[in-house]
Amino acid sequence: DTGVSQDPRHKITKRGQNVTFRCDPISEHNRLYWYRQTLGQGPEFLTYFQNEAQLEKSRLLSDRFSAERPKGSFSTLEIQRTEQGDSAMYLCATQIGNGSPLHFGNGTRLTVT
Amino acid sequence: KQEVTQIPAALSVPEGENLVLNCSFTDSAIYNLQWFRQDPGKGLTSLLLIQSSQREQTSGRLNASLDKSSGRSTLYIAASQPGDSATYLCAVNFGNEKLTFGTGTRLTIIP
Repeated sequence: DTGVSQDPRHKITKRGQNVTFRCDPISEHNRLYWYRQTLGQGPEFLTYFQNEAQLEKSRLLSDRFSAERPKGSFSTLEIQRTEQGDSAMYLCATQIGNGSPLHFGNGTRLTVT
Repeated sequence: KQEVTQIPAALSVPEGENLVLNCSFTDSAIYNLQWFRQDPGKGLTSLLLIQSSQREQTSGRLNASLDKSSGRSTLYIAASQPGDSATYLCAVNFGNEKLTFGTGTRLTIIP
């Protein structure tokens, strides 16, 4: 059990560019969540997957955002045409099933200049 | 609207003291509640998970309680140490299969 792994740890990009983040879950964790956290705030829910199925998307997730979990293992979160307001920490979390503890990765810090 | 509140936003305590962190939530029909710790620039570390049917959970020097009727949870830390300095986040599952977080309490233990 190596924990939830996120890559990259940091990403600096210019406004208008596309970025993609990756999350590798703890093995056998079939639920995978993406959250976003800004300075001084708690994480906010973006979307989650049960295996490869994306079951819910927050209204925070505009059409510039897309997430996938093609084989029910790793997941990617893509942001197209980045804006300065997208600057935040993007956190991935996984759990073995509803009601079990949620385990977070160390996040990807995005800075849009 | 389902909300989670943590007050105070920051707390400083001398080393060795016992302390209590507070969390309140607006809807008593919760599924479970989880306490996390977050160090600067890092992800969240799960501390304790309390199911709806439970009143408290303990792990080492940490004890979390849950009172659904009053919409409150507390995290008790015994014999605080400088290594306990971090932001502590409370998160509630309101039965909608995701966690709603408070804004956290930033704890500083003074040596």
